[in-house]
Amino acid sequence: SYVLTQPPSVSVAPGQTARITCGGNNIGSKSVHWYQQKPGQAPVLVVYDDSDRPSGIPERFSGSNSGNTATLTISRVEAGDEADYYCQVWDSSSDQGVFGGGTKLTVL
Amino acid sequence: QVQLQESGPGLVKPSQTLSLTCTVSGGSISSGSYYWSWIRQPAGKGLEWIGRIYTSGSTNYNPSLKSRVTISVDTSKNQFSLKLSSVTAADTAVYYCARAIAAAEDWGQGTLVTVSS
Repeated sequence: SYVLTQPPSVSVAPGQTARITCGGNNIGSKSVHWYQQKPGQAPVLVVYDDSDRPSGIPERFSGSNSGNTATLTISRVEAGDEADYYCQVWDSSSDQGVFGGGTKLTVL
Repeated sequence: QVQLQESGPGLVKPSQTLSLTCTVSGGSISSGSYYWSWIRQPAGKGLEWIGRIYTSGSTNYNPSLKSRVTISVDTSKNQFSLKLSSVTAADTAVYYCARAIAAAEDWGQGTLVTVSS
């Protein structure tokens, strides 16, 4: 089955830019979605279809996808961005949704 | 804004069947082109996609769970359901229901199901 690989953790100082990667075989050919999950809460969609933002999501959140890596970029990081982030794709070869293992973003 | 709410037993015995319902409010479950999905998360671990049912009734399941999972929809009650048979302690998790077009746009708050005798 299709595997998505995320770094377990990323740390960034407030005001800086955080980049969270999601690796997968030819992931650039798939649509990638990103979710933010804070402790004790349900996930929230922050980027869909590689780079689109749902209404209400700040422009600081952006996404890109090419080759074997998709990236979620969070600009001007704030303390409130500290959370777990998950990437997700649809694997059409096995007809199933697949999540990455998640990345814990720490704001220093 | 559509809202989703999971409900069902919080404790299930090993080898029994886990049954959860997701009630949808603020919109009809049979309107639009949506996938109604189930996702779970063991404590301290990542998200696992369980399966989904389309508005038409077609389903897709995680191959690793497919032999034990059934997702169905009850349009008269605006609900969809998850059944997971022959559960073990490994099925202990927070279970979420969600509405998706491609990405899961709307989520329930989640419900903890513990498998224990």
